[in-house]
Amino acid sequence: GNSVTQMEGPVTLSEEAFLTINCTYTATGYPSLFWYVQYPGEGLQLLLKATKADDKGSNKGFEATYRKETTSFHLEKGSVQVSDSAVYFCARSMNRDDKIIFGKGTRLHILP
Amino acid sequence: NAGVTQTPKFQVLKTGQSMTLQCAQDMNHEYMSWYRQDPGMGLRLIHYSVGAGITDQGEVPNGYNVSRSTTEDFPLRLLSAAPSQTSVYFCASSPGWGNRYEQYFGPGTRLTVT
Repeated sequence: GNSVTQMEGPVTLSEEAFLTINCTYTATGYPSLFWYVQYPGEGLQLLLKATKADDKGSNKGFEATYRKETTSFHLEKGSVQVSDSAVYFCARSMNRDDKIIFGKGTRLHILP
Repeated sequence: NAGVTQTPKFQVLKTGQSMTLQCAQDMNHEYMSWYRQDPGMGLRLIHYSVGAGITDQGEVPNGYNVSRSTTEDFPLRLLSAAPSQTSVYFCASSPGWGNRYEQYFGPGTRLTVT
């Protein structure tokens, strides 16, 4: 089927640690891939995206690379901050005629 | 621009009551949608609209109605509230069909049905 699977949380890290949140997808064809972030009490915001294989999306120090061979789009950041504490959602869109499919979200806690 | 606004922020209903969750956007976006967010379930699409006068069902449409009489507004109606509809509801919009994936979300409405 067509779905998005991301690692379960919560993920707890100390400030300045390296972050990886895994995301894999199943889909026929070549989806566009996204990471959204939800800060406490707010709606989701687009964090970054990639629309074709080997593309790297980046924003606010976060990066994710579209890996077609492993059907993955893992989110990484070299040095997390307390302000990065949020819920992160991986998502995919198939093409202009399809809906967005979200993963279940990964809650991230950063300790000072 | 205010972006996507939702009212109310919080609501408590009794089983069987009806109500409307309001959503408005001032970005002239064609595409609007409603999601519900439940613990461990991520976001699930309830209904969506690709333009004024056009609506369609998402993954979990039962118990909800929508209409899109203007580009700006996309209200979600609960016909007869049930405890299973306790959730956080998000409205989202995006610039158009081709850019549908770049969604802008409202702040959410937290609904409790007792």
